[in-house]
Amino acid sequence: DVKVTQSSRYLVKRTGEKVFLECVQDMDHENMFWYRQDPGLGLRLIYFSYDVKMKEKGDIPEGYSVSREKKERFSLILESASTNQTSMYLCASSNPGQPSYEQYFGPGTRLTVT
Amino acid sequence: AQKITQTQPGMFVQEKEAVTLDCTYDTSDPSYGLFWYKQPSSGEMIFLIYQGSYDQQNATEGRYSLNFQKARKSANLVISASQLGDSAMYFCAMKSGGSNYKLTFGKGTLLTVNP
Repeated sequence: DVKVTQSSRYLVKRTGEKVFLECVQDMDHENMFWYRQDPGLGLRLIYFSYDVKMKEKGDIPEGYSVSREKKERFSLILESASTNQTSMYLCASSNPGQPSYEQYFGPGTRLTVT
Repeated sequence: AQKITQTQPGMFVQEKEAVTLDCTYDTSDPSYGLFWYKQPSSGEMIFLIYQGSYDQQNATEGRYSLNFQKARKSANLVISASQLGDSAMYFCAMKSGGSNYKLTFGKGTLLTVNP
């Protein structure tokens, strides 16, 4: 089974802090993704990566950056956390070798910025 | 631009009955794929079923089937013989626009299965 893990289930940070969210997948997937999920808005793509050190902006990249130094690990960075970044953050991975490219998700990190 | 619309914010169904969750999509790309995901209260998104735009038959996976009507641009999820464990948020999603990486998600439907 594909396993995608995220470093924390719940996180509370203060405004202005630098925040790191870590995601690790164990199936050698090429692609990794970061989404945020807010009530009534569904999932929105922040950034994705299709290879080590490669990244592309998603629909809402402002205020975020990412890092992918190893294939299995994809980090989301909030340079200076703000209260409007309070949200559920979901990491996912997928394999281009699968015809449907379905994405496998981690358990999510619920981030609260106070 | 790609768009997914789920018009049912919430649905209720009795245990053991079938339920249909609606999804309509909009894309100008002739090649696309449609997904359904389940999100229980624990938060993890679980992949349920996939339909490619060129697939001739409707996709089925156990109790899940996808009612794909291409001309109407709809991809409804049918859950047969509902179980209490089916209570969850359900998301329809689409990949298209030449990208196999990016998914566009609908806003979701909260399904409650009553005993």
